[in-house]
Amino acid sequence: SQQGEEDPQALSIQEGENATMNCSYKTSINNLQWYRQNSGRGLVHLILIRSNEREKHSGRLRVTLDTSKKSSSLLITASRAADTASYFCATDVSGNTGKLIFGQGTTLQVKP
Amino acid sequence: ETGVTQSPTHLIKTRGQQVTLRCSSQSGHNTVSWYQQALGQGPQFIFQYYREEENGRGNFPPRFSGLQFPNYSSELNVNALELDDSALYLCASSLGRVRTGELFFGEGSRLTVL
Repeated sequence: SQQGEEDPQALSIQEGENATMNCSYKTSINNLQWYRQNSGRGLVHLILIRSNEREKHSGRLRVTLDTSKKSSSLLITASRAADTASYFCATDVSGNTGKLIFGQGTTLQVKP
Repeated sequence: ETGVTQSPTHLIKTRGQQVTLRCSSQSGHNTVSWYQQALGQGPQFIFQYYREEENGRGNFPPRFSGLQFPNYSSELNVNALELDDSALYLCASSLGRVRTGELFFGEGSRLTVL
């Protein structure tokens, strides 16, 4: 079963705008990760946030985590056409062993 | 470029056949995980191998089996293929029980079952 639920399922924005994706999960976690997937390709790790962290930045990415609400958000600032991809949140619920549970993903389209 | 390679990239099988997918992990990584991703869905955990032993399994039937070799490369075998097995199969490597939990994925093997 899916642990994470992403919202929205699809998002279309203009280049330069910000994109926000949300993820909710059901059980306690050790960490939450975000991955990106270009169409039909492998997944690329973007950022990991631990359960005792509230916010993390990496370049144009900002991730927040609210463990009381069991939710996370991924913000991509100043989006580019190259950011067009699917974005997945994934939770590690049994320690840092790489057995991740993925959500359904948000498909982001950035129009030039 | 994650350093994880998978083969074959695409293959077509018929129902009832058997398939073997291969994965070469990133240098130095001793853990390999396999995921199944149906079209439009998120990846689903199949199983993980750590130092040649199965180290956890998701909700997949026994006809899904795997191996990890001394060089930490891995195989995923699926017997008695069903139409619903059509999916992208992703291999991911990581360094055992390190704290990050970050996975390095290959580009996947796309299996079509007719």
